[in-house]
Amino acid sequence: DVKVTQSSRYLVKRTGEKVFLECVQDMDHENMFWYRQDPGLGLRLIYFSYDVKMKEKGDIPEGYSVSREKKERFSLILESASTNQTSMYLCASSLFQYGYTFGSGTRLTVV
Amino acid sequence: ILNVEQSPQSLHVQEGDSTNFTCSFPSSNFYALHWYRWETAKSPEALFVMTLNGDEKKKGRISATLNTKEGYSYLYIKGSQPEDSATYLCALSSGGSNYKLTFGKGTLLTVNP
Repeated sequence: DVKVTQSSRYLVKRTGEKVFLECVQDMDHENMFWYRQDPGLGLRLIYFSYDVKMKEKGDIPEGYSVSREKKERFSLILESASTNQTSMYLCASSLFQYGYTFGSGTRLTVV
Repeated sequence: ILNVEQSPQSLHVQEGDSTNFTCSFPSSNFYALHWYRWETAKSPEALFVMTLNGDEKKKGRISATLNTKEGYSYLYIKGSQPEDSATYLCALSSGGSNYKLTFGKGTLLTVNP
């Protein structure tokens, strides 16, 4: 069974901390994505990557960065966490046009 | 930023009712329309990918249609069951080499037993 695995289901961090959210896929997919989901706003794209070491900004990249050193791993980095980054974060991967496979999400609370 | 609209935002139905939701999108530069089901505490699950005008897809009691010329897709659930309770997301791909999806805000369906 193919999988996208997010390292943590729940995280609580303090304001100003540097936060790493990890995502690993075992499907050899080229494309990987980070979204956040907030009530009333739906899924919004933060960053995506279509190849190792390649990245592109999504619709809401401010306050975030990403790293993709290996094909299977895509990390989302909050350089200095703030309370408005409290959210559900979803990672996904895809192969060409065949739609996404999602991870189970990380619910991040910044206090 | 593409604008993908879903309606209604939420609805409650009784077990056995049939129901449908709408996804509206800009018809220009269309590549594919995706439907996902997202149950609480689980990952979003792919239901359908549709690319051609007039496409109809079916999976059990769930079906979907696509009209790319007027920019809408319908999702139908026949004989709703409590296990159909979930958020239904539609997403638009406008092509390109990265195949990123723009999601609507979803329709939250609650099926009461």
